Amino acid sequence: AQSVTQPDIHITVSEGASLELRCNYSYGATPYLFWYVQSPGQGLQLLLKYFSGDTLVQGIKGFEAEFKRSQSSFNLRKPSVHWSDAAEYFCAVAPGVGTYKYIFGTGTRLKVLA
Amino acid sequence: EPEVTQTPSHQVTQMGQEVILRCVPISNHLYFYWYRQILGQKVEFLVSFYNNEISEKSEIFDDQFSVERPDGSNFTLKIRSTKLEDSAMYFCASTGGQYQETQYFGPGTRLLVL
Repeated sequence: AQSVTQPDIHITVSEGASLELRCNYSYGATPYLFWYVQSPGQGLQLLLKYFSGDTLVQGIKGFEAEFKRSQSSFNLRKPSVHWSDAAEYFCAVAPGVGTYKYIFGTGTRLKVLA
Repeated sequence: EPEVTQTPSHQVTQMGQEVILRCVPISNHLYFYWYRQILGQKVEFLVSFYNNEISEKSEIFDDQFSVERPDGSNFTLKIRSTKLEDSAMYFCASTGGQYQETQYFGPGTRLLVL
């Protein structure tokens, strides 16, 4: 069955430290991949997306993600975390032609220590 | 920047009552979606809608749910007889294209069924 796994439910980092949030998907073909961020009480904001081409994609707020086909992964990274990055991060996939839905991971809640 | 809006932001209702959640998608978008997020769980697809009909629905979207585009701007989700387990955050999304196109999400409506 198609699935998206975010193995880390909670991550705590110090401000200024680097960050990597993991996302793995289970799907036969290469899906279209997204990272969204949800701040408390807010909706889902698109950080970045991968459709094809360069496997390292840049997003907003200094985030980047790398698609690794061999590992079925799409990990999100940021070299230096800011306190305002504290939020919940969701990885999502769009499996492909024939379906419109996104499949979301369970999310990773990021806490940033001052 | 155009955005998806949703009303109300919060709704409290009694079990068995009907609720209508409203969304105004981005004006030139053609595909509309509803998702829900039960507290502490992942975001789940409910339904997609295009050209005044349902394109795809999940097993969650049973006969108690319906969607409608009553005019040129609004997109609604109706729950006919709410259950306790319908308590969740409901997100509307829209996209200008189909399949893997980037979906833009609204801020959500938090529904609490008592």
